Amino acid sequence: QSVLTQPPSVSAAPGQKVSISCSGSSSNFGNNYLSWYQQLPGTAPKLLIYDNNKRPSGIPDRFSGSKSGTSATLGITGLQTGDEADYYCGSWDSGLSAGVFGGGTKLTVL
Amino acid sequence: EVQLVQSGAEVKKPGESLRISCKGSGYSFTSYWINWVRQMPGKGLEWMGRIDPSDSYTNYSPSFQGHVTISADKSISTAYLQWSSLKASDTAMYYCARLMTTTVFDPWGQGTLVTVSS
Repeated sequence: QSVLTQPPSVSAAPGQKVSISCSGSSSNFGNNYLSWYQQLPGTAPKLLIYDNNKRPSGIPDRFSGSKSGTSATLGITGLQTGDEADYYCGSWDSGLSAGVFGGGTKLTVL
Repeated sequence: EVQLVQSGAEVKKPGESLRISCKGSGYSFTSYWINWVRQMPGKGLEWMGRIDPSDSYTNYSPSFQGHVTISADKSISTAYLQWSSLKASDTAMYYCARLMTTTVFDPWGQGTLVTVSS
């Protein structure tokens, strides 16, 4: 069972918008930054969002992140079939002194 | 280009030992922690532990403490993950990732698939 909680799956049509939630506690991203990672089928995870809402160079602005208290959301607009992937939130848990991830959310673009 | 290149897939028998590697390039290897992450077949990401290559200080997840050993050789910019006695339940993909800040893993290695089967 993962320390951070994500929905197992979400789906939407091409061109639409989708949101993926991540909830934690005060010991993890309640007091630390949150990151989001995209894992395309058969590949390694890739950094998508860091420090709650910042995009690394090369990540399109269709991807956005927000955080409020111990909940966070990854938003993806203008969905493309190439966005089909597993998405993970991640942070540091000060109580556990360990990195923590959500269980992952599988995005299906119908 | 900053990259982490991992060693190739391994097939081992239960009880055997194994060491897999992760070589960094394109940056100062001793300036950033290297983390190891497990992904069991069809499952999510699990943080195993990390090492500071500058002094080999390590920090393990309680779930993996005592089951694996993380080490590094800064002279060749390489981090290692090793097992002394593999179990079938160690079958998984293992990723290394550079820790940019406390909560940012970037980049990731391409992964090393470890299969343990009799």
